[in-house]
Amino acid sequence: DTEVTQTPKHLVMGMTNKKSLKCEQHMGHRAMYWYKQKAKKPPELMFVYSYEKLSINESVPSRFSPECPNSSLLNLHLHALQPEDSALYLCASSQVVRRRWAFFGQGTRLTVV
Amino acid sequence: AQTVTQSQPEMSVQEAETVTLSCTYDTSENNYYLFWYKQPPSRQMILVIRQEAYKQQNATENRFSVNFQKAAKSFSLKISDSQLGDTAMYFCAFTSIITQGGSEKLVFGKGTKLTVNP
Repeated sequence: DTEVTQTPKHLVMGMTNKKSLKCEQHMGHRAMYWYKQKAKKPPELMFVYSYEKLSINESVPSRFSPECPNSSLLNLHLHALQPEDSALYLCASSQVVRRRWAFFGQGTRLTVV
Repeated sequence: AQTVTQSQPEMSVQEAETVTLSCTYDTSENNYYLFWYKQPPSRQMILVIRQEAYKQQNATENRFSVNFQKAAKSFSLKISDSQLGDTAMYFCAFTSIITQGGSEKLVFGKGTKLTVNP
């Protein structure tokens, strides 16, 4: 199994809603990542978890709240988002070994209305 | 800070022909990895090929090969016998170590949109 599975594939939410994005992998990877990608732009790193602990927060607003409940799952909780937060949210995972490559999921297309 | 530059926003090629995508990078590190990722309209980022900086031999994966020039900090991707399924956005990427926990941070270029025409 070399897949990173993200759900849902599409999400439309209002600015007062609370929603969550889910990411799952069964490759035994102990590093998991959230990236944000705006249209026609490269992905930008948001959060990194290493061994289920938050390793890096790239100065992401608190309306985005990550969670790593176990080594296979990564969630991104969303609350009080703004229309400019509309983007493709990509999850990735990798081995916690120096200079290994990341596997990406298909992403969740988020629209904030 | 590490940066990755892709100077060709868009390119097109005829099916079965060869095309080369350019990438330059800047880093003060001596050991690092470079990658080319492909993102088709399906949105998934797919690893195409990777190069370890300490290896002089250029990486090859079937129809994909790289020209890695470490001194010039250049990492171009050559696609031979282009196929319609190669149509995608191609991102050049560089690994930057996140010191805590040893996990990686990928630094991406802005991408090159490649269209393969029938």
